[in-house]
Amino acid sequence: GQNIDQPTEMTATEGAIVQINCTYQTSGFNGLFWYQQHAGEAPTFLSYNVLDGLEEKGRFSSFLSRSKGYSYLLLKELQMKDSASYLCAVRGGGATNKLIFGTGTLLAVQP
Amino acid sequence: NAGVMQNPRHLVRRRGQEARLRCSPMKGHSHVYWYRQLPEEGLKFMVYLQKENIIDESGMPKERFSAEFPKEGPSILRIQQVVRGDSAAYFCASSTGTGVHEQYFGPGTRLTVT
Repeated sequence: GQNIDQPTEMTATEGAIVQINCTYQTSGFNGLFWYQQHAGEAPTFLSYNVLDGLEEKGRFSSFLSRSKGYSYLLLKELQMKDSASYLCAVRGGGATNKLIFGTGTLLAVQP
Repeated sequence: NAGVMQNPRHLVRRRGQEARLRCSPMKGHSHVYWYRQLPEEGLKFMVYLQKENIIDESGMPKERFSAEFPKEGPSILRIQQVVRGDSAAYFCASSTGTGVHEQYFGPGTRLTVT
């Protein structure tokens, strides 16, 4: 079966660092994506990992361990505008490019 | 460079009517994906298309739903005889045919069935 787990909600303080975890069990693996989605808006692409290790992109970093079926998204220097849902998605193996999404983590950044 | 465009942004239909949702991919993108997001739920894959071909429709309900991506024009997601349970946000995404294939999402169509 296909299963992607993320915490439902998290709260953090402006200026701080937060780590959002994602574990997955999927039939096949061809990359893991993180998206940000503000309420009522489209998801926007944040990062992509296909090999083990850390990918850094400005205030955002994403880590992958394929052997553990585990990823995290790290957000540094939190800003109020970072309050959003963060979606973990896995692309399965084979010819399809479809993404399997977790239910998302709603992050609230407080002053 | 225009992003993924979807129309209409909001659509209201009575039970039993047909809904047609349109998606124009980003310039240079030849792959289109449709996802559905129910209230308080995650995005669920529906169908993956390339021009004139359905590549993967494993997420499409067996009845009433169909999708196409013709040689010319936008991709269309068609829902016949809508029911209240079809009320959701329908997102279209597109990607190139090479490399990472990251998918860029459109603003979505919010379908309400009354």
